[in-house]
Amino acid sequence: GDSVTQMEGPVTLSEEAFLTINCTYTATGYPSLFWYVQYPGEGLQLLLKATKADDKGSNKGFEATYRKETTSFHLEKGSVQVSDSAVYFCALSRWNNNDMRFGAGTRLTVKP
Amino acid sequence: DSGVTQTPKHLITATGQRVTLRCSPRSGDLSVYWYQQSLDQGLQFLIQYYNGEERAKGNILERFSAQQFPDLHSELNLSSLELGDSALYFCASSTRGSGHNEQFFGPGTRLTVL
Repeated sequence: GDSVTQMEGPVTLSEEAFLTINCTYTATGYPSLFWYVQYPGEGLQLLLKATKADDKGSNKGFEATYRKETTSFHLEKGSVQVSDSAVYFCALSRWNNNDMRFGAGTRLTVKP
Repeated sequence: DSGVTQTPKHLITATGQRVTLRCSPRSGDLSVYWYQQSLDQGLQFLIQYYNGEERAKGNILERFSAQQFPDLHSELNLSSLELGDSALYFCASSTRGSGHNEQFFGPGTRLTVL
């Protein structure tokens, strides 16, 4: 079945460091891919998405490129801030599926 | 603010009891999803409703049930509660029942079973 695998956390970075959170997926067909972010005490918020191969999703300085050849959707940010501290979830959905599959989440802590 | 509301925000109850969690989707969204988030099992899909009808089932226990009403709000009923049911329960909504549409999440209900 469909699944998403994320790099295990937690990840601790200093402010202005480069961030990469790896995400790979297994799915038949052509899924859409998403990154969600969960700040402490809140629900999940959509960060960015990509619906087809080679699409790049971007938002708030974060980027991820849909790589079909490597079945990956790695999240990157060039310079993280303390306010980026949160849990990040990679997820996929397929056109004919009704549930979204989430990765286990990666906790990011950014220190000043 | 996603536009999805959930009540109550916190719920503390005892083992063996029954509780009801409520969710109102974003205006115009027809589909509602329920998820359970626990420390050991991550984010688990429970069930989906679309325009009042059950559309998909995930890892939902038989002690749990849900429904979506004509005004599109949804309720998740948890009965014969056990300590292991303590978790964050999220509701999400989307425009359609399937396809490449993102889900918008509510703030969650934190359930504590003592």
